[in-house]
Amino acid sequence: DGGITQSPKYLFRKEGQNVTLSCEQNLNHDAMYWYRQDPGQGLRLIYYSQIVNDFQKGDIAEGYSVSREKKESFPLTVTSAQKNPTAFYLCASSMGQGNQPQHFGDGTRLSIL
Amino acid sequence: KNQVEQSPQSLIILEGKNCTLQCNYTVSPFSNLRWYKQDTGRGPVSLTIMTFSENTKSNGRYTATLDADTKQSSLHITASQLSDSASYICVVSSRDWGAGTKLIIKP
Repeated sequence: DGGITQSPKYLFRKEGQNVTLSCEQNLNHDAMYWYRQDPGQGLRLIYYSQIVNDFQKGDIAEGYSVSREKKESFPLTVTSAQKNPTAFYLCASSMGQGNQPQHFGDGTRLSIL
Repeated sequence: KNQVEQSPQSLIILEGKNCTLQCNYTVSPFSNLRWYKQDTGRGPVSLTIMTFSENTKSNGRYTATLDADTKQSSLHITASQLSDSASYICVVSSRDWGAGTKLIIKP
């Protein structure tokens, strides 16, 4: 089955630690996205990538980093500079931009120890 | 600042009843409005998309409407089922997301 796989489902971070969230897709989509979802708020865009080896900052990129070395993979690193990392992180992909729907993974819930 | 406001914040209805969820926006420029369904602990799944020239679109028991003049959209669910329990989120121009309406269907 084609889709997006995020791992792990749950992740705990200690103070001062960087953690990396995995996102893999086998839909052959060019564009990939990372969002953060907090209670009572709409999804907020962290980073997006339209093509391999290229990515752009979204609305809340500070404290996060990404890479896009392969079309299928778009990992997100939550660095120690992100002071409020507790949230539900969603990865998505789409064939292109504009009117194309985004296909989402099932998310990673990150909590602070 | 572009905004997307959804109402109500939450809604509880009995199985078999109909309901309507609202999405008002001030986003400019407008290119499209999409409704997503998000089950608890899962990612959103697209239900329907509407462009400027469309004012009604159906997907099974889901019917979305769009009034581009008043910048309002609604999602009407007919004959609700327990599996409709989820959050329903609208997103405008593929970038501005509402906070969603949490819908609970009771047997």
